[in-house]
Amino acid sequence: EAQVTQNPRYLITVTGKKLTVTCSQNMNHEYMSWYRQDPGLGLRQIYYSMNVEVTDKGDVPEGYKVSRKEKRNFPLILESPSPNQTSLYFCASSLGTSGPSSYNEQFFGPGTRLTVL
Amino acid sequence: EDQVTQSPEALRLQEGESSSLNCSYTVSGLRGLFWYRQDPGKGPEFLFTLYSAGEEKEKERLKATLTKKESFLHITAPKPEDSATYLCAVQGRGYQKVTFGIGTKLQVIP
Repeated sequence: EAQVTQNPRYLITVTGKKLTVTCSQNMNHEYMSWYRQDPGLGLRQIYYSMNVEVTDKGDVPEGYKVSRKEKRNFPLILESPSPNQTSLYFCASSLGTSGPSSYNEQFFGPGTRLTVL
Repeated sequence: EDQVTQSPEALRLQEGESSSLNCSYTVSGLRGLFWYRQDPGKGPEFLFTLYSAGEEKEKERLKATLTKKESFLHITAPKPEDSATYLCAVQGRGYQKVTFGIGTKLQVIP
């Protein structure tokens, strides 16, 4: 089954304790992205990656790191989490971002609900 | 900076009562405008991509249209299962960043 998986689904942590949220896709997609979703603010893009070793900042990259060492994986790293990073996080992937419409269709993971105390 | 504004924020319809959701956008050269559906507690699900003004796409009771400044998602004779939050997003030419609107929460009452 074609899918984007995220782990963990739920996480409660404390300020300053480094954490990683994993994201993996099995569709051989080139483009991967991380979003956070907050009430009243909608989905905001954190980082995206066009391909292996190619990443770029979205609208809200502060406090986050990413890496793309393999095509299928795109982990989100919070080196020193703070309470304002409490949010619902989504990973997404697509074939690419140019060409036929299917290239732009993003498949989203189920979400990771993060609480930082 | 790209911007997406969706209206209304919430919409309550009786089953069978057709309506439209609006997405106004500003972007420096449109690569694509996207519509997604999001059910509570789940990730967004892709509906449509529109590329140029005048383009229209349909899927079951949904029809998306695009002008140079806005897009509409028309819902014809909605059913309760159409209840969800509908998200609009844009991507500009020359870069890969995607900007989402806050969404319209649709409730269809039997």
